[in-house]
Amino acid sequence: EAGVAQSPRYKIIEKRQSVAFWCNPISGHATLYWYQQILGQGPKLLIQFQNNGVVDDSQLPKDRFSAERLKGVDSTLKIQPAKLEDSAVYLCASSLGGWTMWADTQYFGPGTRLTVL
Amino acid sequence: SQQGEEDPQALSIQEGENATMNCSYKTSINNLQWYRQNSGRGLVHLILIRSNEREKHSGRLRVTLDTSKKSSSLLITASRAADTASYFCATDAGRGSTLGRLYFGRGTQLTVWP
Repeated sequence: EAGVAQSPRYKIIEKRQSVAFWCNPISGHATLYWYQQILGQGPKLLIQFQNNGVVDDSQLPKDRFSAERLKGVDSTLKIQPAKLEDSAVYLCASSLGGWTMWADTQYFGPGTRLTVL
Repeated sequence: SQQGEEDPQALSIQEGENATMNCSYKTSINNLQWYRQNSGRGLVHLILIRSNEREKHSGRLRVTLDTSKKSSSLLITASRAADTASYFCATDAGRGSTLGRLYFGRGTQLTVWP
């Protein structure tokens, strides 16, 4: 079974530029998550999708971050414009969703390491 | 905050020794999960324990859960150098929270020396 795919693996940009990350979840997984992990901290949820609908985006800085999951499969996360404090690893995860959601295992991609100069 | 907190922040042991990491959380939960993260990689799920369970085993891993103390522990027996990684506990937030949402702690960095 293929895992969660993410690209690019690394990205370096200057502040005020824009950047986009792509995620392809495990086939058949209804729930998709984007996390931000700052160095030395645990992952923090940015947005959670159930199929192509947003379930939770309470921690997403909506003035600069946006995400979409067209057709309920792959997803993109965009930052525009980037700030220095956005330097972090952006992790995508997926889970089965549905009736198992109360005890779902999340499967993580390798992440995208973003450096904002 | 619902976020779990791991203790200690860092742990350094020799191969063959046991490693114990603890996690405390603040509100009621449906389940608690432990994940491992190798340097520069994504997280890997290790084990899930439900709120009505007290202990669970998986290979060299043993997890306990004490809901009265809102705490959990992860024991890795007979540690190997390959166990070197960061270990995170993650909790949901129980009834009324977003289903499937997990809150992660800051992690314990485990180093196992050959």
